[in-house]
Amino acid sequence: DQQVKQNSPSLSVQEGRISILNCDYTNSMFDYFLWYKKYPAEGPTFLISISSIKDKNEDGRFTVFLNKSAKHLSLHIVPSQPGDSAVYFCAASADSGAGSYQLTFGKGTKLSVIP
Amino acid sequence: GAGVSQSPSNKVTEKGKDVELRCDPISGHTALYWYRQSLGQGLEFLIYFQGNSAPDKSGLPSDRFSAERTGGSVSTLTIQRTQQEDSAVYLCASSRSLLAGSSYEQYFGPGTRLTVT
Repeated sequence: DQQVKQNSPSLSVQEGRISILNCDYTNSMFDYFLWYKKYPAEGPTFLISISSIKDKNEDGRFTVFLNKSAKHLSLHIVPSQPGDSAVYFCAASADSGAGSYQLTFGKGTKLSVIP
Repeated sequence: GAGVSQSPSNKVTEKGKDVELRCDPISGHTALYWYRQSLGQGLEFLIYFQGNSAPDKSGLPSDRFSAERTGGSVSTLTIQRTQQEDSAVYLCASSRSLLAGSSYEQYFGPGTRLTVT
């Protein structure tokens, strides 16, 4: 059973517009959420994160929103740029009980920003 | 500074052979994770090392998979008697110790693409 879901496998946005990537989760024990960006043939690159005690975190053009009651988070990119074209992974973390904080990932959303 | 490095970048092996994948974490990072990404899937947790503590092996899919971390730095992931379903990109990540009050960001290497024929 998938605990982190990204229901849109792909998204196309015009340059300069807002990109909104969505993520839903089922495990209420998750207490930290992250977004990673991945280019082909490279490892994922950390983008932005949010703790469960917050509902918004902003870093430049990137803002992550968390709605705990709906178990939903979203990543907003404004304005979108062609260089943002990549696969975006939503990830969530909780103490496994063995002391590790492994990340549970969604399947990713491929964002294409059209010039 | 240097990021996480992994070798080899690509590995093609015949079914039934053993393979070893290597990860060099970022210097000073005490936590090390292995994940794999199969085609069309998200990243799947395999194993976690933190300092000298016993590793969290809860994600290993079978007893053909094992990993070790020598001297608290370099790690090797070994897959014995490889099967075609083991074909995936194997990713290593490291992070600072959570005990230091750092956040949970993990920094990933470029991965090893394993193809079992």
